[in-house]
Amino acid sequence: DIQMTQSPSSLSASVGDRVTITCQASQDISNFLNWYQQKPGKAPRLLIYRASKLETGAPSRFSGGGSGTDFSFTISSLQPEDIGTYYCQQYDSPPYTFGQGTNLEIK
Amino acid sequence: QVQLQESGPGLVKPSQTLSLTCTVSGVSISSDIYHWSWIRQHPGKGLEWIGYIYQGGRTYYKSTLKSRVTISVDMSRNQFSLKLTSVTAADMAVYYCARDNPADYWGQGILVTVSS
Repeated sequence: DIQMTQSPSSLSASVGDRVTITCQASQDISNFLNWYQQKPGKAPRLLIYRASKLETGAPSRFSGGGSGTDFSFTISSLQPEDIGTYYCQQYDSPPYTFGQGTNLEIK
Repeated sequence: QVQLQESGPGLVKPSQTLSLTCTVSGVSISSDIYHWSWIRQHPGKGLEWIGYIYQGGRTYYKSTLKSRVTISVDMSRNQFSLKLTSVTAADMAVYYCARDNPADYWGQGILVTVSS
């Protein structure tokens, strides 16, 4: 199985900050990488797919990059509603494994 | 508008079979484009992908669950289902169904408790 290593596990930042989360795959997954946001008690929401494509309806302050084994997810200007847990997921080959998650808080 | 909704018992006894159904609306489950997945989340933990069904019947399961998992589809009802046998406390989780590849639509999730 492909292992996804996500960092940091938690992050505290101020409103307006630029925030970056990274995800590393244990093998080349091309650009088959998704990013999700999950709020407490809710299902995850797809934000970025194919590493860098913004899902319809997701705010443009969210962006993703990378290919192969190293990926990043960036919030250009952190907003209060961005608090939650963020997950990367590879969908290059099943099982479609997730990263451990990054818990994002506002300072 | 695509919607998914999980249904099934919220309480299952140890050693018994967990059975959940996902009812899909707004898109045909017979579409070859999408995978239809089950994903679970243990309390306070991360997401665990269980498996998917696609092309009307092809399946893939996570290896550690493979001996206990069956995902099936009922195209006439536009539903797909999850069966997990011989459950233990370790199977207590919120179970989500999702339209996958990528998972752009999810059900709201259903909490399944394992207890006698």
